[in-house]
Amino acid sequence: NAGVTQTPKFRILKIGQSMTLQCTQDMNHNYMYWYRQDPGMGLKLIYYSVGAGITDKGEVPNGYNVSRSTTEDFPLRLELAAPSQTSVYFCASSLRPAGNQPQHFGDGTRLSIL
Amino acid sequence: DAKTTQPNSMESNEEEPVHLPCNHSTISGTDYIHWYRQLPSQGPEYVIHGLTSNVNNRMASLAIAEDRKSSTLILHRATLRDAAVYYCILHSGGSNYKLTFGKGTLLTVNP
Repeated sequence: NAGVTQTPKFRILKIGQSMTLQCTQDMNHNYMYWYRQDPGMGLKLIYYSVGAGITDKGEVPNGYNVSRSTTEDFPLRLELAAPSQTSVYFCASSLRPAGNQPQHFGDGTRLSIL
Repeated sequence: DAKTTQPNSMESNEEEPVHLPCNHSTISGTDYIHWYRQLPSQGPEYVIHGLTSNVNNRMASLAIAEDRKSSTLILHRATLRDAAVYYCILHSGGSNYKLTFGKGTLLTVNP
């Protein structure tokens, strides 16, 4: 009963380094999302995907890139890490984007940029 | 996005019912009312959602006011594992893909 799985759980990066946050889901959901959550704040949408090969920007896309080559996987790439990207990153998926469909979240990746 | 208003924090005793309120006076006819919760160091977890009628599931009940301008999440018997931040979110779906999380209500459950 895996649901949405994110790796790694924790990571420390130096300024200017790059990394990929992995996200995979086993529910055959077409819709996938990346959010970030800064301390004491709500979640903000970074990117989303409506299916394999289709992605689009959310509220805060600068400094990030995504790809969606399969239904299951939706990796998030940080090219030049900056301290402002220190945050907790959550991946989510849903069957449809309709208002009556819940989103299912992973447990997050805690990222620190030093 | 239509805005929701929740108390910053609430406290309950274990095995007692908890009523978590949410005001959403600008709700539109197509907005569903969603509740999520976030336990410490975990991702948000879907709890329940509804449109007009009251809803029940294994986790909780959702009571929606007749004018839909407010709703209440009901935990029938709080346990220590229910201590979390609870978010009330309006979601119409369609081209609006994001869930807009506010600051939610921090629920403390006393043993």
